[in-house]
Amino acid sequence: QQQVKQSPQSLIVQKGGISIINCAYENTAFDYFPWYQQFPGKGPALLIAIRPDVSEKKEGRFTISFNKSAKQFSLHIMDSQPGDSATYFCAASHQAGTALIFGKGTTLSVSS
Amino acid sequence: DTAVSQTPKYLVTQMGNDKSIKCEQNLGHDTMYWYKQDSKKFLKIMFSYNNKELIINETVPNRFSPKSPDKAHLNLHINSLELGDSAVYFCASSMRGGSTTEAFFGQGTRLTVV
Repeated sequence: QQQVKQSPQSLIVQKGGISIINCAYENTAFDYFPWYQQFPGKGPALLIAIRPDVSEKKEGRFTISFNKSAKQFSLHIMDSQPGDSATYFCAASHQAGTALIFGKGTTLSVSS
Repeated sequence: DTAVSQTPKYLVTQMGNDKSIKCEQNLGHDTMYWYKQDSKKFLKIMFSYNNKELIINETVPNRFSPKSPDKAHLNLHINSLELGDSAVYFCASSMRGGSTTEAFFGQGTRLTVV
């Protein structure tokens, strides 16, 4: 049973466009929802994270939208750049600083 | 300085061999993890250690045995390697319940069993 479902599996966006990746979770005990970015040959790195008491968090071009009632959250990348081309993972955990349950990842390609 | 470092980065070995992967973190975190990333890039938690004590042991064959000699180190020993063990293994660390919640990952160890 997959606890965090992520879509789409792959995404192609033109430079300057908006990239949107969606995730849904099942376990209402989750209370920490990060997004990780991974480049080929590297480990995942934290991009942005949110807790369920907030509906939106923005850091630069990256925004998380969180809908607690729907058990869904999404990542929006504004003004997408070729350097954003990477694999993005949503995740969830029961407590910040504990083991992460990852979605299956989205491979983003930003064309110039 | 590398926050979470793993060695080796690449490991090619034959079926049936025993191998170890080492991990060290210099962030002062109290919790360390091993994750497995398969060929489809799916990341799955294998083990979690908090203050040298095992707190998560997901459904992992008992051929995999983690060892934490101290809070800064978490090694992974694998016995009787099988073809299906081929994957990238990531070590990570975090501070459980701390104000800084980020989990830092190492660069990974690509294990290839032939």
